Amino acid sequence: RKEVEQDPGPFNVPEGATVAFNCTYSNSASQSFFWYRQDCRKEPKLLMSVYSSGNEDGRFTAQLNRASQYISLLIRDSKLSDSATYLCVVMNQAGTALIFGKGTTLSVSS
Amino acid sequence: NAGVTQTPKFQVLKTGQSMTLQCAQDMNHNSMYWYRQDPGMGLRLIYYSASEGTTDKGEVPNGYNVSRLNKREFSLRLESAAPSQTSVYFCASLFGTDNQPQHFGDGTRLSIL
Repeated sequence: RKEVEQDPGPFNVPEGATVAFNCTYSNSASQSFFWYRQDCRKEPKLLMSVYSSGNEDGRFTAQLNRASQYISLLIRDSKLSDSATYLCVVMNQAGTALIFGKGTTLSVSS
Repeated sequence: NAGVTQTPKFQVLKTGQSMTLQCAQDMNHNSMYWYRQDPGMGLRLIYYSASEGTTDKGEVPNGYNVSRLNKREFSLRLESAAPSQTSVYFCASLFGTDNQPQHFGDGTRLSIL
């Protein structure tokens, strides 16, 4: 089992739609979790950290289920500018490096 | 824009040539990383340096060497480039405390013919 697994998509949705991405991780000792966004031919950029209690940043909501080793990202009221690849990221057990999923591609159309 | 600076941004090499990719950060981060990104493979960790003076192998270290020259700089060397090393290379840095994100450079697009 890969350390971080994501559905690669692509997810094609119309503007205004709600879309959810899921991610699973294999190491139950992982402590830190993130969602990154990567635009075509650009570097990854932090979208949001994921906390055990769940957290929200505007239209974006992240959830963590430690028992199921599952992370989610919900995007409400999708915008054209949300089109990108979303990377699920988990800190390794030693706390020294981040492990990236392969990413889920989102395409929002008008 | 300050942060993580990578040079060069683009490079074409011939098989067997050597080159060094440079990375510098000005955020006083302790940890630095080199990743490669290939289509369909996501980001894969090549080497990392948790602190000045230390380096460790990541998932795909073969064919590469690294040097943590000082706290600011972390270089990646290809001694004898191979076509399989054609990729986009990203350098990143991390402060080192819990739940802190990585900051990435713009990337180096490397083609080996």
